[in-house]
Amino acid sequence: EPEVTQTPSHQVTQMGQEVILRCVPISNHLYFYWYRQILGQKVEFLVSFYNNEISEKSEIFDDQFSVERPDGSNFTLKIRSTKLEDSAMYFCASSETAPPMGGRYGYTFGSGTRLTVV
Amino acid sequence: AQKVTQAQTEISVVEKEDVTLDCVYETRDTTYYLFWYKQPPSGELVFLIRRNSFDEQNEISGRYSWNFQKSTSSFNFTITASQVVDSAVYFCALSVTGGFKTIFGAGTRLFVKA
Repeated sequence: EPEVTQTPSHQVTQMGQEVILRCVPISNHLYFYWYRQILGQKVEFLVSFYNNEISEKSEIFDDQFSVERPDGSNFTLKIRSTKLEDSAMYFCASSETAPPMGGRYGYTFGSGTRLTVV
Repeated sequence: AQKVTQAQTEISVVEKEDVTLDCVYETRDTTYYLFWYKQPPSGELVFLIRRNSFDEQNEISGRYSWNFQKSTSSFNFTITASQVVDSAVYFCALSVTGGFKTIFGAGTRLFVKA
């Protein structure tokens, strides 16, 4: 079964440093997403990306965040200057088709990157 | 605005008991999709089911069943004869036309004790 792959699984960074979280979506998927889950809390939407541009972003996704699809396979989330409150699990997801359906199997999520800002 | 409410924060059952996880949603859209995801202790989000707003037929998959009722805006999930491996956080989620985000409920943590 195809998977969304995220690297690294864990990342510890110092406050103020830049981090890049990497994702390899499922190859035939066209829509890409980042979600965040602060420990013990709900999963929150950050951004969606389609046709090489942001299609929607939440109020959380401020100027310190950016996304990129640098080549045909990777999808990255960059946090420019990390803050303590950025500590969370970050999930990448992809889907074959547009929301709300998402495709035959909805949205496929990766295993997440646990980011700890110290 | 859309919203998903999972009023049960934690549920604890003994193995082989049946358990129902509640989900109530709010949306003004007529076309929407509802999802359930499982998050085991390892942290990943596992897709369980998707249901569209035009299909109120209940679904059964092994020990899992889902009851969708538009009249009460609910999409409840029942695990029959629970097992220890069912211990996880379960999220109900909503996706509507015209938007790209999926809105998650706060999750219900299920403990199944042997």
